[in-house]
Amino acid sequence: ETGVTQTPRHLVMGMTNKKSLKCEQHLGHNAMYWYKQSAKKPLELMFVYSLEERVENNSVPSRFSPECPNSSHLFLHLHTLQPEDSALYLCASSQEGRGYEQYFGPGTRLTVT
Amino acid sequence: AQSVTQLDSQVPVFEEAPVELRCNYSSSVSVYLFWYVQYPNQGLQLLLKYLSGSTLVKGINGFEAEFNKSQTSFHLRKPSVHISDTAEYFCAVSDFNKFYFGSGTKLNVKP
Repeated sequence: ETGVTQTPRHLVMGMTNKKSLKCEQHLGHNAMYWYKQSAKKPLELMFVYSLEERVENNSVPSRFSPECPNSSHLFLHLHTLQPEDSALYLCASSQEGRGYEQYFGPGTRLTVT
Repeated sequence: AQSVTQLDSQVPVFEEAPVELRCNYSSSVSVYLFWYVQYPNQGLQLLLKYLSGSTLVKGINGFEAEFNKSQTSFHLRKPSVHISDTAEYFCAVSDFNKFYFGSGTKLNVKP
């Protein structure tokens, strides 16, 4: 596979469930990102990993827990979510540094019931 | 921090008509500029980028954008749109390794 892949593409979970979103990049990049895209809201940057270290956490609730075991993989662990967490979760990767574009995966459509 | 403003949340246009999607950013310092497109149920795809050099940048699918430093704008244009251009378009600014996205413009191409 090429580019950035995300699994699953769709996820429905109850408020008491625990699930994980997975992202994998095949581009040799050294930075990875999680974004949340909700209807009628701007794209929200959640977490940034650079060289496998978390460098940014934009006041995201603790029910979202990221993990970056290596430069190619990024996870978002979910637990006790709220209905307002329903959104499209996008993963992106880039080469670190100014001017490098981000490459996005297709996203995981999450519905919390 | 940067701010990116996309003035139009929705732009309806007829097929084969020209279109311009507007983008303004806040900073006067050197920045890198990008346009992305998002088709339904997909991630964002890079259309074009401006790093330096010529202020007119050509991208994929016949789109182009013009960087105007004095007006801090980076408007996206296409001389003749197709039905398949119906999508949401995002302007982005990169500054010191951070990306800032606009709120998006939905382009609706009508037959």
